[in-house]
Amino acid sequence: DAKTTQPTSMDCAEGRAANLPCNHSTISGNEYVYWYRQIHSQGPQYIIHGLKNNETNEMASLIITEDRKSSTLILPHATLRDTAVYYCIAKKGGTSYGKLTFGQGTILTVHP
Amino acid sequence: GAVVSQHPSRVICKSGTSVKIECRSLDFQATTMFWYRQFPKQSLMLMATSNEGSKATYEQGVEKDKFLINHASLTLSTLTVTSAHPEDSSFYICSASLGQEGNYGYTFGSGTRLTVV
Repeated sequence: DAKTTQPTSMDCAEGRAANLPCNHSTISGNEYVYWYRQIHSQGPQYIIHGLKNNETNEMASLIITEDRKSSTLILPHATLRDTAVYYCIAKKGGTSYGKLTFGQGTILTVHP
Repeated sequence: GAVVSQHPSRVICKSGTSVKIECRSLDFQATTMFWYRQFPKQSLMLMATSNEGSKATYEQGVEKDKFLINHASLTLSTLTVTSAHPEDSSFYICSASLGQEGNYGYTFGSGTRLTVV
C-alpha cells in the first residue's frame, strides 16, 4: 500500500471547517483513500473513503485531486468532540479484505 | 451498524501472569479479525490477523508464543498475553472485517488498556 504523509498536528476553531490534508503521491490506480479517526483511548472510527471522485457523507467530505496524489478531509463544522487523531490510509481495493496499516496521523485540536 | 465488543476495557495484572482479551462481533459474522497494539503517543501497530478456524498470521517481530490468538468462531476472537511483563503494558485493539465494501468495512473494538505491574 502507498505511503501517506500528513501534518503532525492542526488546530481549528469550533464551528469552522477543518481541512485535513494528506499526501499520497505514489498511490496506485486500485488503491482507495480511507480516513479513520481515533478519539483518545478509544478504537478508531471509520469516516469516509474514496477512489477518484469526491465523496460526502454525514460526517465529512473527501476531496481527491485529479491526479490522486493528495486528498483533503473536510469536517464542515468542527465541534469539540471532533478533537482526535485523524489517519489517512491508502489501501488496495474497496473492500475490507486485507490489512489496514496506520501511519502517524494528524492530531486535530478543536478549540472554543 | 456493525458493532465489535471488546472486554475487558482495562486490566491490571502481575508480572508473569497471563491475560485474555476478548473481541466479539455482536451483529455480524467476522471472517477475519485483526489485533493491534498501541503504545502511548504512537500509532496503531498491527500484531496479527486471524481467520476463523485457522492459525493466525503474525506480523514480523511479534512473538506468536507470547501473544496467543484464537478465532474459534465467526463472532469471537481472543488474544492471550502469556507471561506478561511490564513492557507488554499497552493499549490493545481488535478490529473485525465484514468482508464487504461499504461504510463498515472495518469496525474496531473500544480497546483494552493492559497494565502489567
